[in-house]
This record gives sequence, C-alpha cells and structure tokens, in this order.
Amino acid sequence: EAGVVQSPRYKIIEKKQPVAFWCNPISGHNTLYWYLQNLGQGPELLIRYENEEAVDDSQLPKDRFSAERLKGVDSTLKIQPAELGDSAVYLCASSPGRLGEQFFGPGTRLTVL
Amino acid sequence: QQPVQSPQAVILREGEDAVINCSSSKALYSVHWYRQKHGEAPVFLMILLKGGEQKGHDKISASFNEKKQQSSLYLTASQLSYSGTYFCGTEKTSYDKVIFGPGTSLSVIP
Repeated sequence: EAGVVQSPRYKIIEKKQPVAFWCNPISGHNTLYWYLQNLGQGPELLIRYENEEAVDDSQLPKDRFSAERLKGVDSTLKIQPAELGDSAVYLCASSPGRLGEQFFGPGTRLTVL
Repeated sequence: QQPVQSPQAVILREGEDAVINCSSSKALYSVHWYRQKHGEAPVFLMILLKGGEQKGHDKISASFNEKKQQSSLYLTASQLSYSGTYFCGTEKTSYDKVIFGPGTSLSVIP
C-alpha cells in the first residue's frame, strides 16, 4: 500500500516569496491533516479536513496561510508571503476516519532566507 | 494545552528497559504514542482510550491512568531500532484534535 506522498521534500526560498506544498493521502482516507513541526518539537496541527471540508483550522494563520482539498483527495498548503519564522517541516497525515492512527508523510522541509 | 513528557532524553544500552511518561493538566479521552526517527515521519505505535485496557506491541506497551491524566510507555529489552523521539498526543474529547507533546529522545547504544 502506498503511503502519504508529499512534495517537494525540500524548499528554500527568500522571505516574502510564496510557496506551496502538495499532499496525496492514502487512498480511501477521508481525514487529512497538515502539521507544522519545529526542530525539537512535536507536530502542531494547522488544519484538518474531513473529505473536502475544513473542520478545524483554528491554528492556521489565515493572513498568510491557505489550504485547499479539492474533491476530498489531494491537498495543497500555501504560504504567501513567507516569513523567516516559517522555516520548519510541514507534515501531511491522513487517517481512514476521525479517530485512530494517523499515517504521516515524509514532510517538506522549508527554509526561508 | 500541550502534554508534558518526561524524561526529555534518555540513553540506554541494548537490553535495558525504559519508561516514558506523558501527563496532562486536563481530563483526557485518549492518548496516542508515536515514534519518529531522525529525518523521517512519525510512526504510530498505539492509542489508549478512556476506559480501555493497557496496550502492547511486541516489547513496547503502554498504560493510561485516567484519574491521574497520565500515560506511560514501557520499552523492555530495548533494541537499537528503538532509538528515536517518542511523542505522546492527547485528546480531551472524542471530537477534539490531538495535541502532541515536545517528545522524549531515546538513544539505544550497543
């Protein structure tokens, strides 16, 4: 079974530039999560989707971050404009339903210069 | 509110046992445990639900004390492959989000 796919794996950009991350969850998984992970810290939820509906985006900085999950499958997370403090690993995870095991992707390591 | 994990880091020799603790100031519905190796994605270990039994997987098991709002992860006869950072994640209710702790770094040496 294919796991959660994320791209790109690494991204280096100048501050104030836009950046986008893509996630393809495991087939059949209705719930999709975007997390931010700073070095030496646990993942922090940015947004959770149930199918195509964003059911928890309270931690998403909406002035610069946006996300979408078209047709309830793939998802894109965008930052515009990026700031130095956005440097982190962005993890995508999916699960069959609301409860239970989350399957994480390899993450995208973002460096903002 | 983020759960507290202890210890922050531990070094073991192969074959030794370890306990990692996770505690919350709020009543909990569930506790999740994940392991993350350096540069890799977190990998699920187990979930403990309120009212549930102690879980186990090979030589890794966990308990959940609802009254004390604590969970402990037990690693027995540790192997080199156990090295990594262990995160607990807690949910206050069945419809809440999982909040992860800061992690416990575990290193197993020969």
